[in-house]
Amino acid sequence: AQSVAQPEDQVNVAEGNPLTVKCTYSVSGNPYLFWYVQYPNRGLQFLLKYITGDNLVKGSYGFEAEFNKSQTSFHLKKPSALVSDSALYFCAVRGGYQKVTFGIGTKLQVIP
Amino acid sequence: GAGVSQSPSNKVTEKGKDVELRCDPISGHTALYWYRQRLGQGLEFLIYFQGNSAPDKSGLPSDRFSAERTGESVSTLTIQRTQQEDSAVYLCASSLDRPERETQYFGPGTRLLVL
Repeated sequence: AQSVAQPEDQVNVAEGNPLTVKCTYSVSGNPYLFWYVQYPNRGLQFLLKYITGDNLVKGSYGFEAEFNKSQTSFHLKKPSALVSDSALYFCAVRGGYQKVTFGIGTKLQVIP
Repeated sequence: GAGVSQSPSNKVTEKGKDVELRCDPISGHTALYWYRQRLGQGLEFLIYFQGNSAPDKSGLPSDRFSAERTGESVSTLTIQRTQQEDSAVYLCASSLDRPERETQYFGPGTRLLVL
């Protein structure tokens, strides 16, 4: 069975500092990996995905994620955090034609 | 273009009543998911429809929960004899059912409050 772990319930970072939101996964075969974001009182939005190719994936709002096969990780990163990045972030994985599995989410708090 | 829509946006009901939630996916999306999100919590998978295959019901929390989908269109999630712990936001998402093209598009959710 596939699974996703987001080990941090909450991440706090000062505005302007780099941020990392961690995600590790377990799946049979090649993984398809995703990040979604949920801003306060708004719906879930797709942020970025890794399907194949370059391990560094760039997405919306200046976010990027690095696929690391040996560490089975797909951490979300941004070089300089904004207060407006404060939201709930979900990592997700899909192995082949299995259903997508979401992590429990990490709350990102960017402090002015 | 039109996104995923859900109705009603809010539903207040009394304990013990049945409720029916509706999801209209994006046209052409063969995959449809239902999730539950309790206040401040993560996504809890409920059910997954994949084209004409039998749905994956492994996430339904009890036999009070059921869902149907008509072909590749509308889906309804029914909760019978609602309980207070059913209070949550129920999210629907649809996608093209090809992994390399996978992106889930979420509806705005139905906020259910059971009194």
